[in-house]
Parts: sequence; C-alpha cells; structure tokens
Amino acid sequence: EPEVTQTPSHQVTQMGQEVILRCVPISNHLYFYWYRQILGQKVEFLVSFYNNEISEKSEIFDDQFSVERPDGSNFTLKIRSTKLEDSAMYFCASSWAPRLPLHFGNGTRLTVT
Amino acid sequence: DAKTTQPPSMDCAEGRAANLPCNHSTISGNEYVYWYRQIHSQGPQYIIHGLKNNETNEMASLIITEDRKSSTLILPHATLRDTAVYYCIVRVVARDDKIIFGKGTRLHILP
Repeated sequence: EPEVTQTPSHQVTQMGQEVILRCVPISNHLYFYWYRQILGQKVEFLVSFYNNEISEKSEIFDDQFSVERPDGSNFTLKIRSTKLEDSAMYFCASSWAPRLPLHFGNGTRLTVT
Repeated sequence: DAKTTQPPSMDCAEGRAANLPCNHSTISGNEYVYWYRQIHSQGPQYIIHGLKNNETNEMASLIITEDRKSSTLILPHATLRDTAVYYCIVRVVARDDKIIFGKGTRLHILP
C-alpha cells in the first residue's frame, strides 16, 4: 500500500539554524499538510497546501515557517531560524481529494539544542 | 478546537471487542465523523469515517446514532497491537479542510 515517507526520521539542530524537513506524499495526491506534536501534547495543524499555494495556516505557522513543493514529488517544511520550542515531531500528510482521508507519514523528530 | 468529547482512557481485554465512545452533540449536517489512531508517536493512522450510516471496514466498525450526536468505534477482536490513542474527529468535507485533533482516548489492551 502506498505511503507518505518523511526524511530524516530524526534531525538535531542548533538554535538559530535553518532546517528543512522533507516529505514525499502519495504519488497521485493533490492536497498536502504539515502537523506537529510537541512531546506529550496534541497533534497540531500547521498548514495546508493545494495547487502550489497555501490554503490555510494556523497561528503557529508564523514567518519563520515556509512550505514548498519544489518538484512533482517532494513537499518540504522550512524553519528559518529554529527556537528551542520548535522541538517536536513533525508529520506530513496528503490526500487525493477533500472528501477522502488524510494519510500521515511517521514523522521527523526535530530536536533543537 | 476539537468538537468532540472522549474518555481520556479505557481498558479492554485482548480478544474482546473494544467499544470507544465519542460525543459530538454540536455536529452539523455537513460534518463527517472520522476516527484515527496513533500508536506510540507514529503518525496518525486513518481508521474509518461516516456521515450518518453505520460503516464497516477491515479494521473497525463505526456506529453513529440516529441524531448523529454520538458515535462508537468498535474494534471487534482487540489485540495488543491495538494499544494506541484513538481520536474521534468531526470534519467538514469540503475543499481541503484540515483535521483537528483533540486529546483522544488512550486504549490499553490487557493480555
């Protein structure tokens, strides 16, 4: 069964550094999402993306964050200048159509030191 | 914020049916009920969804009350691998609407 893949599985970075988290959504999917989960807390919506533009973003998704679909297969989340509080699991998700379920990857654990 | 209410935790014996309740008393006519689960910090996994009819797939059954104000997810023969946090979510299925997760129910399957 096709799945969403995320790389790397664990990323360690120093505060103030830029980091790019990568996702390969399921191949024929058109809608893309990023979520995050701080340890012990809820899964939180960050941003949705369709037709090469952001559809919706949460208040967490401030100017430090950006998303891009640089080619036909990858979907990336960039954090420009990481803060300690950005440490979390980041999940990518994709869907073929609005009526259909989101499929999630297994996440990238970001640790900011 | 999440529009559902779930018990924070439940236990179920291995091999028995696990019945997970969810209250969504303010659900609107165009909102579906979705269930996801998260096994120990893995990505959320889709289980099932429905609008007003009961649904069944290879993983579970979803029973939605006639007034749609509550639902029950049934795992017919729970195994230890079903230990997870289960999320009941209401979602407007139009455009590319996001999923909003609540705190869910932590289900412990007991050997």
